[in-house]
Amino acid sequence: KQEVTQIPAALSVPEGENLVLNCSFTDSAIYNLQWFRQDPGKGLTSLLLIQSSQREQTSGRLNASLDKSSGRSTLYIAASQPGDSATYLCAAKYNYGQNFVFGPGTRLSVLP
Amino acid sequence: EPEVTQTPSHQVTQMGQEVILRCVPISNHLYFYWYRQILGQKVEFLVSFYNNEISEKSEIFDDQFSVERPDGSNFTLKIRSTKLEDSAMYFCASAGTAVSEQYFGPGTRLTVT
Repeated sequence: KQEVTQIPAALSVPEGENLVLNCSFTDSAIYNLQWFRQDPGKGLTSLLLIQSSQREQTSGRLNASLDKSSGRSTLYIAASQPGDSATYLCAAKYNYGQNFVFGPGTRLSVLP
Repeated sequence: EPEVTQTPSHQVTQMGQEVILRCVPISNHLYFYWYRQILGQKVEFLVSFYNNEISEKSEIFDDQFSVERPDGSNFTLKIRSTKLEDSAMYFCASAGTAVSEQYFGPGTRLTVT
């Protein structure tokens, strides 16, 4: 069964710090992996999509990497800001299905 | 920027009633999805839809659920006889291809009493 896990479950950092969120997935047969942001009681905002042939993707202060062989992806946030406070979800799409399998999320608090 | 929209934002219904949740995907997208998130839990896949038929469904998506694309713009999820455990946030998503980025709507919070 495909599973996606994320550590840590929660993270609290002071403003300005660089941070790394981790995502692990079973089974290396993934098409792609997508990172999302979810604010409390709200929908999912897509941050980055990494295809299985790519090693990383960058958007502004965000950088996501993918290592299929180890079953890991990381989301790096540079110079964190209080507005980055949210839950960050990773989701893996496997070769044999169209659906995403979601991780439980990392709840990030950036303190001013 | 194009976005996925969902209506209503919040639906309260009594157990046993039928509900229809509506979604308008991004206009040139061909792949459509429903997910749900029970409060405090993971986002779970329900169903994917392509070329006017279900392409994949999870074990959650039993006979009480159905999806339809009644016209060129709407995509609906119907729950025939709601149960208390159907209370959740329901998200619609769409994508241009099977492997491209999925764009999610803001969700419909369904409360079954």
